[in-house]
Amino acid sequence: EADIYQTPRYLVIGTGKKITLECSQTMGHDKMYWYQQDPGMELHLIHYSYGVNSTEKGDLSSESTVSRIRTEHFPLTLESARPSHTSQYLCASSDPGETDEQYFGPGTRLTVT
Amino acid sequence: AQKVTQAQTEISVVEKEDVTLDCVYETRDTTYYLFWYKQPPSGELVFLIRRNSFDEQNEISGRYSWNFQKSTSSFNFTITASQVVDSAVYFCALSDADYGQNFVFGPGTRLSVLP
Repeated sequence: EADIYQTPRYLVIGTGKKITLECSQTMGHDKMYWYQQDPGMELHLIHYSYGVNSTEKGDLSSESTVSRIRTEHFPLTLESARPSHTSQYLCASSDPGETDEQYFGPGTRLTVT
Repeated sequence: AQKVTQAQTEISVVEKEDVTLDCVYETRDTTYYLFWYKQPPSGELVFLIRRNSFDEQNEISGRYSWNFQKSTSSFNFTITASQVVDSAVYFCALSDADYGQNFVFGPGTRLSVLP
């Protein structure tokens, strides 16, 4: 059973606000990911990390930033939220072992008004 | 570059029908992994199966079965005797054997099972 958590699950916020989406995993996985997904649509990788102090941008350009100070924690920050940031954000982690299977958190549904 | 294609955008079936979801992939790697994930309306992605590129055996798990054909670069997913609870978006994904940045999802197939 995967143990990866995201908070908040739902967030409605006004334009211009700074927000941080939290993601934590208790599996000791080195690799973590952030995906952006409009409901029922493709997942787009926006950030990933190979381990502590490692962060990389994904395939989809994003105005968000991430940090990886601890193995278990991979928060995503939007300095100034805009309506175009309205989406679902999914966090995942994987063990760089044999299969690299990704375990997903429940997601954060963000609405920027 | 790696790519996953799921040509079926949406499928509707009546309960108890069998349904096959298609997945075609592209990769230059000889070692890779294929996955299927289910995303119910709640939004969480649920892992269903992982297949190593060297293992072409078909797999059955209850009402679910997977057909991996390297010759056609396909990894199709069949649900037999579908149920309303199977209604979800299903994603096929491909990962290389390296450090995970090449984890690519297909666009997804929305399956609706009608009572």
